[in-house]
Amino acid sequence: AQSVTQLGSHVSVSEGALVLLRCNYSSSVPPYLFWYVQYPNQGLQLLLKYTSAATLVKGINGFEAEFKKSETSFHLTKPSAHMSDAAEYFCAVSEGYGQNFVFGPGTRLSVLP
Amino acid sequence: DSGVTQTPKHLITATGQRVTLRCSPRSGDLSVYWYQQSLDQGLQFLIQYYNGEERAKGNILERFSAQQFPDLHSELNLSSLELGDSALYFCASSAFGRGDLYNEQFFGPGTRLTVL
Repeated sequence: AQSVTQLGSHVSVSEGALVLLRCNYSSSVPPYLFWYVQYPNQGLQLLLKYTSAATLVKGINGFEAEFKKSETSFHLTKPSAHMSDAAEYFCAVSEGYGQNFVFGPGTRLSVLP
Repeated sequence: DSGVTQTPKHLITATGQRVTLRCSPRSGDLSVYWYQQSLDQGLQFLIQYYNGEERAKGNILERFSAQQFPDLHSELNLSSLELGDSALYFCASSAFGRGDLYNEQFFGPGTRLTVL
């Protein structure tokens, strides 16, 4: 069965600092991988998805993620944090086209001035 | 705006009651998913419908049921409600079956259910 772990339920960074949110997955097949962001009192918004065209995936709002098959990881990064990045971030995996998503527990990102 | 709408936004009810949550998918999407988000369980997949038929089932309780109508909107019915059912319920839709490659899901704003 597939599962997703996100190391660190809460990450704090200073404005302008590097953001690194970790995601590791277990899957018996090449997975479909996604990062979603949830702002307070809102639904989930897709940040980026792994498409197998490239291991480094660029998303919205300056975020990117790198797929590392050997490490079964799909960590999310942003070179310079902005106050508006404060939100909860979820990594999700799907084992096949049309299959449901399994979400990680989420990482709450705080950005300090 | 994802294009997925959910009503109501908030729902407060008592234990033992029954409620219905409604979801309208993005225009043209045939696939609808329901998720429950709670503090202790995180985001859990409940059930998926595709073009009116149930396609996949997750951790959905027997007290819960769902359906998708010919106009593709979906309803999630929760009955014999317990305090522990208090959560955010999200609906998502995808272009599964319409030629998309990655089945990304687009989420609605959610319905916050409070059971007192």
